[in-house]
Amino acid sequence: DIVMTQTPSSQAVSAGEKVTMSCKSSQSLLYSENKKNYLAWYQQKPGQSPKLLISWASTRESGVPDRFIGSGSGTDFTLTISSVQAEDLAVYYCEQYYDTPFTFGSGTKLEIK
Amino acid sequence: EVQLVESGGGLVQPGRSLKLSCLASGFTFSNYGMNWIRQAPGKGLEWVASISSSSSYIYYADTVKGRFTISRDNAKNTLYLQMTSLRSEDTALYYCARQGGVWDYYFDYWGQGVMVTVSS
Repeated sequence: DIVMTQTPSSQAVSAGEKVTMSCKSSQSLLYSENKKNYLAWYQQKPGQSPKLLISWASTRESGVPDRFIGSGSGTDFTLTISSVQAEDLAVYYCEQYYDTPFTFGSGTKLEIK
Repeated sequence: EVQLVESGGGLVQPGRSLKLSCLASGFTFSNYGMNWIRQAPGKGLEWVASISSSSSYIYYADTVKGRFTISRDNAKNTLYLQMTSLRSEDTALYYCARQGGVWDYYFDYWGQGVMVTVSS
């Protein structure tokens, strides 16, 4: 199984600050035939279902604010929030869909100071 | 508007069975692969099972293989999860989720979830 490791497990930032969180996979998620990385990011706010933010490592979903930026390739990926807002309080999960079983990281909990 | 509404959860004793349903609306259900994903209380997300649009391709997590069966009825726009031989570790909020593409197993829409509690 592909293991997804997210760091840090939690972090607290002030509104307006930039935040980055990491997701590393135990094997490459880059499919050579189409040059795509099979990596998604989700946001789960307290008491809510997860929401897809980014697919293919860097493709933002429609309606997702452009302060959410996904980057990386192969085994190392990053979700950046360029200027954190109070409503970004949530747990952020990465997911690999390169191969079954599809696996999630353990999440990064974002707290607002 | 895409909507996924799960039902069928509840309290069940270990070893017993339960069947979850997910009623889909707002999109052409028969065109999309569907999935079940669960979240134990206070824990992260665990993919459980996947079924392709025509039911031709079905995949399970090892933790549920042989005990759970995913199925769908495209005429009724409904996804199912038949759970048997339930264990305490199956206690979780079960989400129904739509796949982003035919072979693309990211999940672009999620239901609100249905709670399953396995306890004596």
